[in-house]
Amino acid sequence: NAGVTQTPKFRILKIGQSMTLQCAQDMNHNYMYWYRQDPGMGLKLIYYSVGAGITDKGEVPNGYNVSRSTTEDFPLRLELAAPSQTSVYFCASRVAGANEQFFGPGTRLTVL
Amino acid sequence: GESVGLHLPTLSVQEGDNSIINCAYSNSASDYFIWYKQESGKGPQFIIDIRSNMDKRQGQRVTVLLNKTVKHLSLQIAATQPGDSAVYFCAEKNNQGGKLIFGQGTELSVKP
Repeated sequence: NAGVTQTPKFRILKIGQSMTLQCAQDMNHNYMYWYRQDPGMGLKLIYYSVGAGITDKGEVPNGYNVSRSTTEDFPLRLELAAPSQTSVYFCASRVAGANEQFFGPGTRLTVL
Repeated sequence: GESVGLHLPTLSVQEGDNSIINCAYSNSASDYFIWYKQESGKGPQFIIDIRSNMDKRQGQRVTVLLNKTVKHLSLQIAATQPGDSAVYFCAEKNNQGGKLIFGQGTELSVKP
């Protein structure tokens, strides 16, 4: 299994641009999560999904959107990029009934 | 509200010594706690977990202690090695969707 994969690894955006951060997992996990990590800080939950077709807001959802059309994929959309969205973004997944979340390698996003 | 925090942002130890990383939590209703290790440029990696009905759990060179009376969690690493250098996060599980609330993190530096 590849586990949790994220693309791209790095991206620089201009203010107002949009982009989609991709996340995929091949472990058949129902639960998927998007976090952001600012420098020197812990992870903050943006959105999560408990299964295909179901998504819900986390702690810091403003400025982001998600969709979950399949079990494998959980893309994160930034519509109007702002400098405050400069961060490292991590996707994670877990199987129902277990507590451990498996994390992807992250996407480093800079908005200038 | 809920919060999970760490007492020390940095910890420096000599190779071979034992390390102790501390964490305080505020939600007495949390029933599950996790320690993650994050190496530079990588996603968090699960180390060990503990349920609230336990006081201690041991893994390979790591031990987690839970003191519910003072809402305190600690991670002990025996015979610390250079490969243990990383940022360590404690996280508290929220029953809603299995969401994790992360602390700020402690950076462990191992001196040879």
